Amino acid sequence: GQQVMQIPQYQHVQEGEDFTTYCNSSTTLSNIQWYKQRPGGHPVFLIQLVKSGEVKKQKRLTFQFGEAKKNSSLHITATQTTDVGTYFCAGPGRGSTLGRLYFGRGTQLTVWP
Amino acid sequence: DGGITQSPKYLFRKEGQNVTLSCEQNLNHDAMYWYRQDPGQGLRLIYYSQIVNDFQKGDIAEGYSVSREKKESFPLTVTSAQKNPTAFYLCASSLVAGVTGELFFGEGSRLTVL
Repeated sequence: GQQVMQIPQYQHVQEGEDFTTYCNSSTTLSNIQWYKQRPGGHPVFLIQLVKSGEVKKQKRLTFQFGEAKKNSSLHITATQTTDVGTYFCAGPGRGSTLGRLYFGRGTQLTVWP
Repeated sequence: DGGITQSPKYLFRKEGQNVTLSCEQNLNHDAMYWYRQDPGQGLRLIYYSQIVNDFQKGDIAEGYSVSREKKESFPLTVTSAQKNPTAFYLCASSLVAGVTGELFFGEGSRLTVL
């Protein structure tokens, strides 16, 4: 079945260092979404990318959607302690699974001061 | 305020008992979802519903049951057949059925089976 893989599973950085998480889908995606879950909290939507090669920025966060629409990345420049949490990518199903999202396992980011 | 309300937030139950987790939304969203989260496992889909009186199994439906009698409500029952029910359960909704847009999540219900 359709799968979304995400690496790394864990990342520990010192405050000020950059961070990147990578997402790969087994199928071509119509879009890809990114979510952030703070420790003890619930996932919160960050962004959706739709176009091949699309790049979007939100302050220190840069999101990319690959040309083949099968991979994506989230890059955080100069991490801060407020960036701590787990970042998930998710892609939509197709055909009989239209209407559901397939989530990656997430990358848990720890930032020490 | 519009949103998704899950209750209870914390729940303790004895092994062998059925448990029902509540999920209510006032966003007028068509689609609703239940996910289970275990440490290091990400979000695993249990059931989802695109319209009232219809729902589909996700990846780990065994030992769970749902109903969708009203648009705003999607309760999840964790039955005694679920072998490892202790987990964090998240309910979510999205605006339009059949179009996988942004998911809005509730704050979750943490179930501990003793």
